[in-house]
Amino acid sequence: GQQLNQSPQSMFIQEGEDVSMNCTSSSIFNTWLWYKQDPGEGPVLLIALYKAGELTSNGRLTAQFGITRKDSFLNISASIPSDVGIYFCAGIMTTDSWGKLQFGAGTQVVVTP
Amino acid sequence: DAGVIQSPRHEVTEMGQEVTLRCKPISGHNSLFWYRQTMMRGLELLIYFNNNVPIDDSGMPEDRFSAKMPNASFSTLKIQPSEPRDSAVYFCASSLGVGLQTEAFFGQGTRLTVV
Repeated sequence: GQQLNQSPQSMFIQEGEDVSMNCTSSSIFNTWLWYKQDPGEGPVLLIALYKAGELTSNGRLTAQFGITRKDSFLNISASIPSDVGIYFCAGIMTTDSWGKLQFGAGTQVVVTP
Repeated sequence: DAGVIQSPRHEVTEMGQEVTLRCKPISGHNSLFWYRQTMMRGLELLIYFNNNVPIDDSGMPEDRFSAKMPNASFSTLKIQPSEPRDSAVYFCASSLGVGLQTEAFFGQGTRLTVV
């Protein structure tokens, strides 16, 4: 089963607003990844995090690797219509030797003009 | 690089038929993953390979599912016989493999419908 708790499940926001979502776990992770999935497509990697406390930006996206190594968050600033989609967090546990990704359930983002 | 390539994009088949999904990972990647995505269960890892060797197949639902990776540039996921509950989107992903830099890149998926 899923070991990552991702929230919120969905968000309805107005264009220009900021979006924030997070993932938590009871397990410790070595790596956190954030993906976005558009309808009919595969997940696309947005940001990768490898160190506790790391804060990384990619354009309007910012993600952080939690200090406890059990959580991560993703922020989208000044949302635009093309930000619509499902965002997934994924992580690799410290106990895993093979790079096996655990996925959260996803956050559906809807942006209204 | 063309990225991870999956075929077919869509497959509609009758219950009981054999289905074969294909994947070509990114050249140079050592790990390959097969995922299944449904509304109810989200993204589920079915099986993954490292250097063409199956590492963990504990996610494979039952014996009707099998996967092979005969070489570094090709993998198949086979369902025989198929059932309506197998209807889902199946994704293949690849990564450089073990170590810190293990970002996985996904193909566009195969949407399977079993009627």
